[in-house]
Amino acid sequence: QSALTQFASVTGSPGQSITISCTGTSSDVGSGNLVSWYQQHPGKAPKLIIYEVNKRPSEVSNRFSGSKSGNTASLTISGLQAEDEADYYCCSYVGIRNSWVFGGGTKLTVL
Amino acid sequence: QVQLVESGGGLVKPGGSLRLSCAASGFIFRDYYMSWIRQAPGKGLEWVSYISSAGTSIYYADSVRGRFTISRDYAKNSLYLQMNSLRAEDTAVYYCTRGYISSWYDWGQGTLVTVSS
Repeated sequence: QSALTQFASVTGSPGQSITISCTGTSSDVGSGNLVSWYQQHPGKAPKLIIYEVNKRPSEVSNRFSGSKSGNTASLTISGLQAEDEADYYCCSYVGIRNSWVFGGGTKLTVL
Repeated sequence: QVQLVESGGGLVKPGGSLRLSCAASGFIFRDYYMSWIRQAPGKGLEWVSYISSAGTSIYYADSVRGRFTISRDYAKNSLYLQMNSLRAEDTAVYYCTRGYISSWYDWGQGTLVTVSS
C-alpha cells in the first residue's frame, strides 16, 4: 500500500489561509469518508484535528476545516497563527485491505 | 482524562525481540478500538497494527505481518505489541492510539525502539 501523496512543504503568513492536499486512489481516499488529519509539533505526539473528511473534534479551532473531491482530500487552515507551524498528516482507512495509510506529511511554515 | 502510557522500548539487536506495553486509563478500555502507529526518525507516520474493542478483529501492516503480534488485556487495561525478528527498518517511535475506524483520537507520548548491532 503506497502512502498518500502530500506536498512536502507549504508556507503562509499570519492571517492568511492555506490549503494542504492529500491525493490517494479510489481504494482509499476516494472510497468513502474515512479520511482524517493530524497535526504534529516537533517532539510531540500527533493530534487529531479533522475526522471523517470534514468533522472537527470539539477542542479544535474552527480555523481548521476539511473537504474531499474524488481521490483528493484537503485541509484548510484560515487566519494562520504562529502556533499552526507544524507537520500535518492525512490518513485514510483502506477497507479492501483492512488497513490505514498515511500521507508523507506536509511541513507548514508560518513566516 | 484519557491517558495512554507506552513502555518497553529500547535498544535491541537485529533479529531480537521486544514487547511494548500501553497502559490505558480515563476511559472504558473494552469499548474502544486500539492501534499501534510508528514514526521512524525524521520520517512520517506508519500504521502498524489494529485490534478491535472485543479483540476479535486484528489487522497488521504488510511490513510487520508474521513478525508482530498485537493483544490486549481487559483486566489490566493494557495494550501490547510483541515484536519478533526485528530489523533495522523497525527503528521508530511507537505510539499507542485509541479511536475508531475513521480516526485515531488519542495518542500516547510514544516509546522509542532502536534496532542496531
